Amino acid sequence: AQSVTQLDSQVPVFEEAPVELRCNYSSSVSVYLFWYVQYPNQGLQLLLKYLSGSTLVESINGFEAEFNKSQTSFHLRKPSVHISDTAEYFCAVSVRGSQGNLIFGKGTKLSVKP
Amino acid sequence: NAGVTQTPKFRILKIGQSMTLQCTQDMNHNYMYWYRQDPGMGLKLIYYSVGAGITDKGEVPNGYNVSRSTTEDFPLRLELAAPSQTSVYFCASSYGNREGYTFGSGTRLTVV
Repeated sequence: AQSVTQLDSQVPVFEEAPVELRCNYSSSVSVYLFWYVQYPNQGLQLLLKYLSGSTLVESINGFEAEFNKSQTSFHLRKPSVHISDTAEYFCAVSVRGSQGNLIFGKGTKLSVKP
Repeated sequence: NAGVTQTPKFRILKIGQSMTLQCTQDMNHNYMYWYRQDPGMGLKLIYYSVGAGITDKGEVPNGYNVSRSTTEDFPLRLELAAPSQTSVYFCASSYGNREGYTFGSGTRLTVV
């Protein structure tokens, strides 16, 4: 069975500082990896995903994540955060070739302070 | 393009009452899902469907039922509401597991 561990439940950071949100997964088979963002009182939105190919994937708002197969990690990074990045971030995994059920981590609350 | 629409947005139920959470999508997705989200616990899959007429249990199905008579609609039924069902419920849909999910905006349910 697959599982996802988000190592930090809360990450406070000052505006314009870099941030890394950590995600590790456990799976005996090949997987797809996703990061979702949830702004207060909203649903989840897909931020970025890794399917295959280049291990570094980027979002349109400056986030990036790197797939590391040997460490079974998919950490999310941003070199300079904004107040508007304050949200909860969820890492998720699904098995290649399966019907698509995502397994989610418990989330990391990113709080950006001025 | 509305995406995934959930109704109602908020609801308070008394213990023992029943209700249906509505979910409809206009993207012609075959796959649909119901999750519940509790603070600090992430999202737990309740039920899912791979197409009209086909449903299956997820991780936490007890106390819930679903049906999928059309591609667009995937209602979630709560029978005999209990305080443990106080949660935020999200419906989602997808083409398949390469695409990720499109989520609705959620239904916040309180059982008192």
